[in-house]
Amino acid sequence: EIVMTQSPATLSVSPGERATLSCRASQSVSSNLAWYQQKPGQAPRLLIYGASTRATGIPGRFSGSGSGTDFTLTISSLQSEDFAVYYCQQYYIGLYTFGQGTKLEIK
Amino acid sequence: QVQLQESGPGLVKPSETLSLTCTVSGGSISSYYWSWIRQPPGKGLEWIGYTYYSGDANYNPSLESRVTISVDTSKNQFSLRLSSVTAADTAVYYCARRHSYYDSSGYYYGDFDYWGQGTLVTVSS
Repeated sequence: EIVMTQSPATLSVSPGERATLSCRASQSVSSNLAWYQQKPGQAPRLLIYGASTRATGIPGRFSGSGSGTDFTLTISSLQSEDFAVYYCQQYYIGLYTFGQGTKLEIK
Repeated sequence: QVQLQESGPGLVKPSETLSLTCTVSGGSISSYYWSWIRQPPGKGLEWIGYTYYSGDANYNPSLESRVTISVDTSKNQFSLRLSSVTAADTAVYYCARRHSYYDSSGYYYGDFDYWGQGTLVTVSS
């Protein structure tokens, strides 16, 4: 099983500022990495797939980077609706696994 | 626009079988893989397994001995059965469509682009 580790567990950022979230895989997953946003009481929403491709309808302030074992999700200028929990997920092997999540909160 | 909707009992007794159905609307269930994913209260996400419209299925090894995911193309539905449940199986259960795509390097799949709203299943006597 590939273990996905996200950091930090909680990130406090002011609106309008940049947020950088990290995800590390226990072994290489190439670019088979997705990012999701989850708000309270809602299902996760696909933001990024292929490590860096924005899903349909996702604003340009969201960007993903990385390959192999280290990945980053960057939100360039935080809007009020961006405060949520973010998960990374690998799909390099058939046993899909998620990180434990990073909670992005208002500073 | 594809929509998914979970349905089934919200309360299951320990040692019994949890059964949920996901109804797909706005598109055909054929030609895609369909998954179940769960989230215990206040915790992270766990992939349970997937099925194809042909009936092909793959499960998380940690649950494989207790899980069956099946598809009914005539109803545009797929289902989850989880046997011998315990309190550890209490979670919000989501159904989701597995995404696939091409890029310059080839064909990829495994992320999830459409999700149901989720349904809370509590295991308790």
